[in-house]
Amino acid sequence: QKEVEQNSGPLSVPEGAIASLNCTYSDRVSQSFFWYRQYSGKSPELIMSIYSNGDKEDGRFTAQLNKASQYVSLLIRDSQPSDSATYLCAVGLGGGADGLTFGKGTHLIIQP
Amino acid sequence: DAGVIQSPRHEVTEMGQEVTLRCKPISGHDYLFWYRQTMMRGLELLIYFNNNVPIDDSGMPEDRFSAKMPNASFSTLKIQPSEPRDSAVYFCASSFVPGPLSSPLHFGNGTRLTVT
Repeated sequence: QKEVEQNSGPLSVPEGAIASLNCTYSDRVSQSFFWYRQYSGKSPELIMSIYSNGDKEDGRFTAQLNKASQYVSLLIRDSQPSDSATYLCAVGLGGGADGLTFGKGTHLIIQP
Repeated sequence: DAGVIQSPRHEVTEMGQEVTLRCKPISGHDYLFWYRQTMMRGLELLIYFNNNVPIDDSGMPEDRFSAKMPNASFSTLKIQPSEPRDSAVYFCASSFVPGPLSSPLHFGNGTRLTVT
């Protein structure tokens, strides 16, 4: 049974600060990791993908992967009110072997 | 690119009625996925197709659920008969997998199903 765990929140962060979102996964052979953002009533949209251990930066977003600890994180620098949303962590085994397994998401609130 | 297109956006039906959800994937994508999202269970994979062939339907909750993909540009998810516990948002997603690693999914806008 593949599981992806996230703290449901809400996580409240002041505007301009760094928001840190965490995710753990159970299947050790997982190879592909994604962060999606979902606004209320909308569909999930891809923010970051990461496949190798270490950090990957894209603008204000940094994804971090530690396969030994089975841990993925997302940092959002200079948080803006528009970053307020639910952030979903998704994990895949690779090669389309199955669909992505999603965590239930962390509700992030950026306080102006 | 038009993205993944789902219809209808909203569906309200009475218990026992048949419901059909429709999806058009992104052109060129060879994988199509049906997910269901509820507050309690989050996003759950129901079934996925590769090149129009169903690969894994282990997430389909009951025999009341069925899915087809008659061609590369169209898929349906049918619930017959529908029950109130089927109320959820149903997402269709597609992807192109060029190599050994999973590719990100591109989601449609979803169908919000309410069964009374």
